[in-house]
Amino acid sequence: DTAVSQTPKYLVTQMGNDKSIKCEQNLGHDTMYWYKQDSKKFLKIMFSYNNKELIINETVPNRFSPKSPDKAHLNLHINSLELGDSAVYFCASSQGQGPYYEQYFGPGTRLTVT
Amino acid sequence: GENVEQHPSTLSVQEGDSAVIKCTYSDSASNYFPWYKQELGKRPQLIIDIRSNVGEKKDQRIAVTLNKTAKHFSLHITETQPEDSAVYFCAASSNAGNMLTFGGGTRLMVKP
Repeated sequence: DTAVSQTPKYLVTQMGNDKSIKCEQNLGHDTMYWYKQDSKKFLKIMFSYNNKELIINETVPNRFSPKSPDKAHLNLHINSLELGDSAVYFCASSQGQGPYYEQYFGPGTRLTVT
Repeated sequence: GENVEQHPSTLSVQEGDSAVIKCTYSDSASNYFPWYKQELGKRPQLIIDIRSNVGEKKDQRIAVTLNKTAKHFSLHITETQPEDSAVYFCAASSNAGNMLTFGGGTRLMVKP
């Protein structure tokens, strides 16, 4: 009965590699997000999709490419990984677009780039 | 864009004491202010929120106050318990913004 799930939970890879993180929500929500949480716990939005359409892209390098095949899934593909990409990546979803809808977070994916 | 500052970054209290975490925001158009709690190794979860048409909201041991004129809002936890130990994030958003801007987080430690 997991609401928002992410795979994998841990990802260790070398610089220059390409990797993907998958996110799925079974809440029937229309809006999904990707956040990055760095080592200092700072939580920053990267992307937001509403009904499979990109609505927010917060100056994220174009090495990061989100893909939403349907409104229940929002995957994150990262090309040419760099040391600075090491962080915990959280997927989240909300019922609607806009600030008043509670965001439900996934368990996070800890990415370590060596 | 919106900028949210949060203080203190760490807070240590004795069990049973009160804890207060403060946030300031920059965008006067912001009208929604949620607080999220993140336990160690877990996901952030919403614990309370407040809209700009309300000055205070309370839910059992936690309360949030909002001063729109000064552009700051605070989280108050009374009778703290060890399970309150976590990182707390404030956030701000506006209708036009369509997104939450989070503060830097406060690590609260409640000593038994």
